[in-house]
Amino acid sequence: QLQLQLSGPGLVRPSETLSLTCTVSAGSITSSSYYWGWIRQPPGKGLEWIGSIYYSGSTYYNPSLKSRVTISVDTSKNQFSLKLSSVTAADTAVYHCARHLYDFYCFDYWGQGTLVTVSS
Amino acid sequence: DIVMTQSPDSLAVSLGERATINCKSSQSVLYSSNNKSYLVWYQQKPGQPPKLLIYWASTRESGVPDRFSGSGSGTDFTLTISSLQAEDVAVYYCQQYYTTPLTFGGGTKVEIK
Repeated sequence: QLQLQLSGPGLVRPSETLSLTCTVSAGSITSSSYYWGWIRQPPGKGLEWIGSIYYSGSTYYNPSLKSRVTISVDTSKNQFSLKLSSVTAADTAVYHCARHLYDFYCFDYWGQGTLVTVSS
Repeated sequence: DIVMTQSPDSLAVSLGERATINCKSSQSVLYSSNNKSYLVWYQQKPGQPPKLLIYWASTRESGVPDRFSGSGSGTDFTLTISSLQAEDVAVYYCQQYYTTPLTFGGGTKVEIK
C-alpha cells in the first residue's frame, strides 16, 4: 500500500523558511498517472491547497501563496519537497502531503501530516 | 477562485438516523464535455488526514460503506449518511477540482446526539 511519510522541523522562526519533505514508499513518484501535492490546515480550521508537482517538475501553485512557495521533486529519492519563505504565525498549521491523479485533482492518498509552528 | 460553502457547520444525529451535509460552489463545477461534476467529499477523523469518500460528486471510493452517498450537480451538492454509525463521527469536507486553485469547504462536524 502506498505510503507518504512527512519529515521536517516542527518549529520555524518568523521570517525564516519552512522546509518539509514527503517520501513516497510502496510506489513510484515517477508514475505518469499522478501529481503530488501539499495541503495545510491551521489548528481547528479547514484545508488549504498549497500546490502540486508532477515528476517532470511541472508545478501548480495556489496564487495566494505562490510568491513564497517552491515545490520540488527528487525522483532519485522518491521524494518531493515544500519550501515556504518569510513565514509568520499565520503559517502555523498541520501540513499534509498527498497524491492526486494527473487528470483529476482529488487526493486519494495522504500522509499523516505534521504540525509546523511558527514562533520565536 | 471558486468558493465552497458548506452547511451546517455542525450537526448532531442519533445513531441509526440520517445525516445530511450540503456544499455549494460559487460557480458551476460541471464540465459540459463529460457531464461530470468535479466535486469530492472527504472524511477527517481527529488526528488523521482526510480520507477520500466520494468523487465525481456521487461515485463512492472503493471500500467506503454504502451508507455514504453523494448527490447533486453544477453548484449544489449533498453528502448523506443514511444510518449514522459511531465510527462516522468526523469532520466532512467538500472540494472542487474543476479548476485551480483547488478549494475546500469549511467543513461540517458530525456528532452523535
